[in-house]
Amino acid sequence: NAGVMQNPRHLVRRRGQEARLRCSPMKGHSHVYWYRQLPEEGLKFMVYLQKENIIDESGMPKERFSAEFPKEGPSILRIQQVVRGDSAAYFCASSLYDRGLRSDTQYFGPGTRLTVL
Amino acid sequence: KQEVTQIPAALSVPEGENLVLNCSFTDSAIYNLQWFRQDPGKGLTSLLLIQSSQREQTSGRLNASLDKSSGRSTLYIAASQPGDSATYLCAVRPRNAGNMLTFGGGTRLMVKP
Repeated sequence: NAGVMQNPRHLVRRRGQEARLRCSPMKGHSHVYWYRQLPEEGLKFMVYLQKENIIDESGMPKERFSAEFPKEGPSILRIQQVVRGDSAAYFCASSLYDRGLRSDTQYFGPGTRLTVL
Repeated sequence: KQEVTQIPAALSVPEGENLVLNCSFTDSAIYNLQWFRQDPGKGLTSLLLIQSSQREQTSGRLNASLDKSSGRSTLYIAASQPGDSATYLCAVRPRNAGNMLTFGGGTRLMVKP
């Protein structure tokens, strides 16, 4: 059972370009989370998605950032018109369906390191 | 708003020492607390997960404790080895904030041979 997969592992963009980061959750996992780790800072939650639904986007910047998790295919984090401050490591995590108050482990991918020139 | 703090921010010890990493959180309403390891330029590896009803979890040389009422957790590493060198992250899953994890800033550990 492959773990959480993210690609690309490294992405370089010039200011103003678009960045697309992909995440394939572990097999059987229907919950996906995106976190951002700025240089010398801890991980910060961005968005939580289930298939075709955004459940919680309280950590997403209001502009230029969007996320989706379609019925088929990976979850995509999209950053439009990137700026230097977007340079960071972006981590995706996945978990099993959480029934009631059960609390499941989040499994993290290796991350995508975005560098904006 | 839940805040997670880890002390110390960095730690350097000689090989063989037993050591304790500390994590504190401001709101005791949590589902669980998780300790992760992050190697430079790499992703996160889950080490231990403690449910809110539990007091501790053990895995090999690692032991994590949880005192929910005081908002504290410790990660104990016995007989440290150079291969333990990494950043250790503590994260809580708050009860009133959906499924997200709230992370501390991490402790960078260096174990010298």
